[in-house]
Amino acid sequence: QVQLQESGPGLVKPSETLSLTCAVSGGSISSYYWSWIRQPPGKGLEWIGYIHYSGSTKYNPSLKSRVTISVDTSKNQFSLKLSSVTAADTAVYYCARGAAAGTEFDSWGQGTLVTVSS
Amino acid sequence: DIQMTQSPSSLSASVGDRVTITCRASQNIRSYLNWYQQKPGKAPKLLIYAASTLQRGVPSRFSGSGSGTDFTLTISSLQPEDFATYYCQQSYTTPLIFGGGTKVEIK
Repeated sequence: QVQLQESGPGLVKPSETLSLTCAVSGGSISSYYWSWIRQPPGKGLEWIGYIHYSGSTKYNPSLKSRVTISVDTSKNQFSLKLSSVTAADTAVYYCARGAAAGTEFDSWGQGTLVTVSS
Repeated sequence: DIQMTQSPSSLSASVGDRVTITCRASQNIRSYLNWYQQKPGKAPKLLIYAASTLQRGVPSRFSGSGSGTDFTLTISSLQPEDFATYYCQQSYTTPLIFGGGTKVEIK
């Protein structure tokens, strides 16, 4: 049973870069697509983007100019960087696994709350 | 972008009730539609993928149907543990879009 665990700072200042890592255990990061999804407090879910273990990426156009997702297969983990954050980026950030490009998310991390505030 | 519209946004029901939630896509997404359940403070959980395929381990009281633009999630007999928020998600094309959610509350 694969497990995903997000980690990173819970507080980020406006205009700075949000950085999170998702550690994958109980399975290889290879052969899957790995996404970041966020949920502002009390609101719905927004897909941020995904990366394939080969390194190919796809981002949500609404965030594309500020997002970078990378993968480290040697550590079995992948990461999210979101630049120039504002209060609107305050959300619970989830990492999740997809069996193929643009499919359902069958495994999720527990989520981590990131607050943007000075 | 494809827009996903869920209805209702919330509903009240009793244990044992049959519950139906609808999701409509702004364009044809064939059967690329998935359903999730989310409880407060928890990550979403995949219930149904490809419109009607039950994820392993999900109780058979959950079922999904539809294709094209109109989809339905049905809970045949609502159980206490089913009170949660339900989301649909299209996986036909990127950006991958979720519906706004349907909160199922206790009557």
